[in-house]
Amino acid sequence: QVQLVQSGAEVKEPGASVKVSCKASGYTFTSFGISWVRQAPGQGLEWVGWISAYNGNTNSAQKLQGRVTMTTDTSTSTAYMELTSLRSDDTAVYFCAKRGPYCGKDCYLEAWGQGTLVTVSS
Amino acid sequence: EIVLTQSPGTLSLSPGERATLSCRASQSVTSYLAWYQQKPGQAPRLLIYGASSRTTGFPDRFSGSGSGTDFTLTISRLEPEDFAVYYCQQYGSSPPTFGQGTKVEIK
Repeated sequence: QVQLVQSGAEVKEPGASVKVSCKASGYTFTSFGISWVRQAPGQGLEWVGWISAYNGNTNSAQKLQGRVTMTTDTSTSTAYMELTSLRSDDTAVYFCAKRGPYCGKDCYLEAWGQGTLVTVSS
Repeated sequence: EIVLTQSPGTLSLSPGERATLSCRASQSVTSYLAWYQQKPGQAPRLLIYGASSRTTGFPDRFSGSGSGTDFTLTISRLEPEDFAVYYCQQYGSSPPTFGQGTKVEIK
């Protein structure tokens, strides 16, 4: 079965960077993209971006462009999301999710990681 | 970007009752609309994609309908495990966006 296992919680100071990992199993990693979604405490879901695990192409939310970098390591079936110049409003649970099949530029998310809490605080 | 407006914000119902959740898009997304269920402390789970295709992990008391700008998620008879927050998401136009969620709570 499809599984996405994320790295553990992080506490960072404002201005620092964080890198979250997402290890996939149970499917052919390079056949599906990985999306990232975040959820601030008590709030709704916000799309961060996605990466093609096939060719590494990425697309990210305009408000995060320049601060977010998404990469993959196909040898370990792991996706990474790095966010730099952290601010207090970046505090959120960050989820990775496997995109569905037969999708175009954007897609629904058919399997999710357990989430990684990133806390930005001085 | 497309704005999704979900209503109501909270739905207070009893087990066995019917739940009707609405998701309205600011412009057409044709049928590129998904629904997710999220329980406290858990990741969202895909429930419906393509506006009406239910995933195998959910029973047939869940159904999705609509196209264009107006969509509905219906739970025909609420079971105790159905009380959760439900989000819609459009993927017909970039960037993909989510509604603010509808909480289905026990009355």
